[in-house]
Amino acid sequence: DQQVKQNSPSLSVQEGRISILNCDYTNSMFDYFLWYKKYPAEGPTFLISISSIKDKNEDGRFTVFLNKSAKHLSLHIVPSQPGDSAVYFCAASTPGNTPLVFGKGTRLSVIA
Amino acid sequence: DTAVSQTPKYLVTQMGNDKSIKCEQNLGHDTMYWYKQDSKKFLKIMFSYNNKELIINETVPNRFSPKSPDKAHLNLHINSLELGDSAVYFCASSQGGTNEKLFFGSGTQLSVL
Repeated sequence: DQQVKQNSPSLSVQEGRISILNCDYTNSMFDYFLWYKKYPAEGPTFLISISSIKDKNEDGRFTVFLNKSAKHLSLHIVPSQPGDSAVYFCAASTPGNTPLVFGKGTRLSVIA
Repeated sequence: DTAVSQTPKYLVTQMGNDKSIKCEQNLGHDTMYWYKQDSKKFLKIMFSYNNKELIINETVPNRFSPKSPDKAHLNLHINSLELGDSAVYFCASSQGGTNEKLFFGSGTQLSVL
């Protein structure tokens, strides 16, 4: 039962262009969403988050958009850089002492 | 200075053996976790400890036993290893509750032959 789905296993984007990574969820109780970035042989690192009371959060080149009615969020990276090449995990949580639920990840390749 | 460190990075062992993975965090966080990333690439929580107390135990076989000697350490002991235990195991920590921003270790790739 995948509560958090990242349906694109991989994405290739040219350097300088926008990268858009998508994430869908099924649990309407999720109220906090996070994106993590993972390089090979390293652990995931936190990138950006958004609370369900917002529909957008921006941090430098990274913006996360939340569409609660569609149960969809997306991560925009602009401009994309070769160093952004990594696996990106979407994660979500419900209120209270509950663990984060992760998607399977999307591998982003930024081509110079 | 690594924030969350786990050892070993690679572990190759035979079926039936017992092995341990150690984890330490120097962030002063209250909560520590073990996550498993299986062949399908899902990151799934196994255990969570808050100040040395077990707070989450997610349907994990009792061959897996976490131990938290203090709030900076959370070790994972696995008895009678099976082929299906092959995965990458990540330790993580967070300042507060289990749904907060996590800081991960670099993972332990376990291969059971």
